[in-house]
Amino acid sequence: AQSVAQPEDQVNVAEGNPLTVKCTYSVSGNPYLFWYVQYPNRGLQFLLKYITGDNLVKGSYGFEAEFNKSQTSFHLKKPSALVSDSALYFCAVRDMRGGYQKVTFGTGTKLQVIP
Amino acid sequence: NAGVMQNPRHLVRRRGQEARLRCSPMKGHSHVYWYRQLPEEGLKFMVYLQKENIIDESGMPKERFSAEFPKEGPSILRIQQVVRGDSAAYFCASSPPGGSSYNEQFFGPGTRLTVL
Repeated sequence: AQSVAQPEDQVNVAEGNPLTVKCTYSVSGNPYLFWYVQYPNRGLQFLLKYITGDNLVKGSYGFEAEFNKSQTSFHLKKPSALVSDSALYFCAVRDMRGGYQKVTFGTGTKLQVIP
Repeated sequence: NAGVMQNPRHLVRRRGQEARLRCSPMKGHSHVYWYRQLPEEGLKFMVYLQKENIIDESGMPKERFSAEFPKEGPSILRIQQVVRGDSAAYFCASSPPGGSSYNEQFFGPGTRLTVL
């Protein structure tokens, strides 16, 4: 079975400071990993994904994520936070093994950027 | 290219009524997913459909809930005899053909169902 954990319900960071939103995963094979963002009363928007290749993945709005196989982590990062980054962030994983397997989402981390 | 469309955006029903939620995937997409998001909670997978086929309904409650994605027209999530616990935001997502494995999903704006 595959799963993803977001250990922090909420992350607070001052505007201009670097931010990190944590995600760890568990799959039997190699993972496909995704980050999505949800603004209030909106659907989820895709930020970035890791399939294979470079461990540092760059995505939308200046976000990036680092895949760490030994720590089974895929933390979302941004060098300098903006107030407009305040939103709910979801990590998601799919096992890369053959055949259909659904994407599993984490419970979400609320990011609050303080002006 | 229009994104994923869902309607209605807000739906109010009384206990015992039926709720029908519609989802039109992005143009060219043939995979549709339905998720439920309860207040202050994450996304819960409900069902995955391709045209005229249910691929995975492991997240769907066994009773009162059904989903379809006909050859023509939108995907429909149907909830019969709604109860207050069905109140939630229901999101539809779609992805292109060629396998859902590595393609990201594109989400609609959601339908917020309120059961009185």
